[in-house]
Amino acid sequence: EDQVTQSPEALRLQEGESSSLNCSYTVSGLRGLFWYRQDPGKGPEFLFTLYSAGEEKEKERLKATLTKKESFLHITAPKPEDSATYLCAVHPIRDDKIIFGKGTRLHILP
Amino acid sequence: GAGVSQTPSNKVTEKGKYVELRCDPISGHTALYWYRQSLGQGPEFLIYFQGTGAADDSGLPNDRFFAVRPEGSVSTLKIQRTERGDSAVYLCASSPIAARSYNEQFFGPGTRLTVL
Repeated sequence: EDQVTQSPEALRLQEGESSSLNCSYTVSGLRGLFWYRQDPGKGPEFLFTLYSAGEEKEKERLKATLTKKESFLHITAPKPEDSATYLCAVHPIRDDKIIFGKGTRLHILP
Repeated sequence: GAGVSQTPSNKVTEKGKYVELRCDPISGHTALYWYRQSLGQGPEFLIYFQGTGAADDSGLPNDRFFAVRPEGSVSTLKIQRTERGDSAVYLCASSPIAARSYNEQFFGPGTRLTVL
């Protein structure tokens, strides 16, 4: 069964304290892995798509990396406005549905 | 330009009633997805449209749920005989690219459904 597991469930950091969020996945074949940001009361906002192991993408203080079993979202010197829930999702190669993890709630303290 | 819009933003109904949730995708987007998100969970796939047809409806939980997209643009998610367990945020997303070459999805703000 295709699965996505994100850890930790919640993370509190001081402003400027770098860390990483983990997304472990099990799929029969991976078409793509996605990271989204979701603010309270809003729909998810697209951040990155990764397609193959070894791929990396960056956007401001965020960098996403991909291996054959997991992806990391690295956040460097975060600011309070980076506080949000970060969702990981996979698109299995065999069908059209997207499978989301439960997310990591990130809180950056000023 | 305008993003994905969903109406209503909030819907409160009584157990056993019928509800319709509307999604207006970004103009020109051919792919449209419906998800359901419960508190503390990630979005759960319900159904995917490519144009007017439902390409994958395997996520619909039972036959009380139905969705249409008659002209390949606006979509309506219909829930019959609502149950308290249907309470959740229903998210709609659209994408300009067919699923076989999938890229990013653009999400609407969601409709919060509460069944009393």
